[in-house]
Amino acid sequence: DQQVKQNSPSLSVQEGRISILNCDYTNSMFDYFLWYKKYPAEGPTFLISISSIKDKNEDGRFTVFLNKSAKHLSLHIVPSQPGDSAVYFCAAVDSGNTGKLIFGQGTTLQVKP
Amino acid sequence: DGGITQSPKYLFRKEGQNVTLSCEQNLNHDAMYWYRQDPGQGLRLIYYSQIVNDFQKGDIAEGYSVSREKKESFPLTVTSAQKNPTAFYLCASRNYRSSYNEQFFGPGTRLTVL
Repeated sequence: DQQVKQNSPSLSVQEGRISILNCDYTNSMFDYFLWYKKYPAEGPTFLISISSIKDKNEDGRFTVFLNKSAKHLSLHIVPSQPGDSAVYFCAAVDSGNTGKLIFGQGTTLQVKP
Repeated sequence: DGGITQSPKYLFRKEGQNVTLSCEQNLNHDAMYWYRQDPGQGLRLIYYSQIVNDFQKGDIAEGYSVSREKKESFPLTVTSAQKNPTAFYLCASRNYRSSYNEQFFGPGTRLTVL
């Protein structure tokens, strides 16, 4: 049973516009979320995170929004750049003190010049 | 430079053979993790270790084994019992005592069974 879901396998946007990547989760016990970026044949790199005590976290061009009542989070990239083209994974930290991450399926973002 | 290294980058194995993937970190992190990525799927947890000489099964541990004899090393053995071993394998580590939850990943190993 998929506890973290990214329902859009792919997204294509024009350079300079906003990219919005979405993620839904089912477990209300999750209290910390992360976004990772991954290029082909490389390991994921950490982008940004958010704790459930916040509803927004911003870092440069990247902003993550958390809607706990809807069990939904989104990653906004503004402005989008061709170098942002990659697979983006949403992850939740498993409840319990293991540090395990539960990943969504990923969304492939293509930013067109 | 601090980081996580995985070797080899590409690995080919014949059916019925065991193979060991290396993962080393010099970040002084307590916790280490092994994930598997298949096309169109997210990362799935195979095994994890929060401390030396201790490790736990993840969601898809069948056909895999690990050891954690040193803090900096967490090798993964893919045994012949693993039914579908062809995948991209990722190792990660985390500072267990830190309040930050992010895991740092290695570059991965692509395993192909011939």
